[in-house]
Amino acid sequence: VQLKESGPGLVQPSQTLSLTCSVSGFSLTDYIVHWVRQPPGKGLEWMGVMWSGGTTTYNSALKSRLTITMDTSKSQVFLEINSLQTEDTAIYYCTRAGYGGFAYWGQGTLVTVSS
Amino acid sequence: EIVLTQSPTTIAASPGEKVTITCRASSSVSYMYWYQQKSGASPKLWIYDTSKLPSGVPNRFSGSGSGTSYSLTVNTMETEDAATYYCQQWSSIPPTFGGGTKLELK
Repeated sequence: VQLKESGPGLVQPSQTLSLTCSVSGFSLTDYIVHWVRQPPGKGLEWMGVMWSGGTTTYNSALKSRLTITMDTSKSQVFLEINSLQTEDTAIYYCTRAGYGGFAYWGQGTLVTVSS
Repeated sequence: EIVLTQSPTTIAASPGEKVTITCRASSSVSYMYWYQQKSGASPKLWIYDTSKLPSGVPNRFSGSGSGTSYSLTVNTMETEDAATYYCQQWSSIPPTFGGGTKLELK
């Protein structure tokens, strides 16, 4: 099982961030991938998930700005956040459940919001 | 949303010492999950279903609790255990994490 995040390292305020989580070793038709982020030096924040039926659940604090989609044929999950602010600077992780918790994590990708 | 409060925020322990980290939930949860995170690395699932250890986690670690009070214990501190530990629940959506406890080597 492997997950790997990719995206721009630097984004300007008010712009839209697009990240991709590429997975291998399992199928997105069988397992769900979540997004979690961690501001530098701070704790973990669950962001959201797209369930197998195509419905999504988002952190209420981000709901108005967040979109999660996926392409099962490409084994990729996508995250978009619009209206970026400096407070969105964080390491963004995709993670898959296992053992009932988040057992598999990507390496994370640092996104800095700055002009 | 269920809020998880960890204590202490930071704790230092000598090798061989016993350490306990507490996680209190704002509402009752069925299970608690714990993660270990070392600097510059992704979190690792360290305890699941309150008290079970994934393969590879040393058995000097244990978890316990129920309802709104849970804990992670390191029976005998070792150098490699220095890290930040987070509790997490998903008895209700959204899943939430505690603020973290930094375990340092004294």
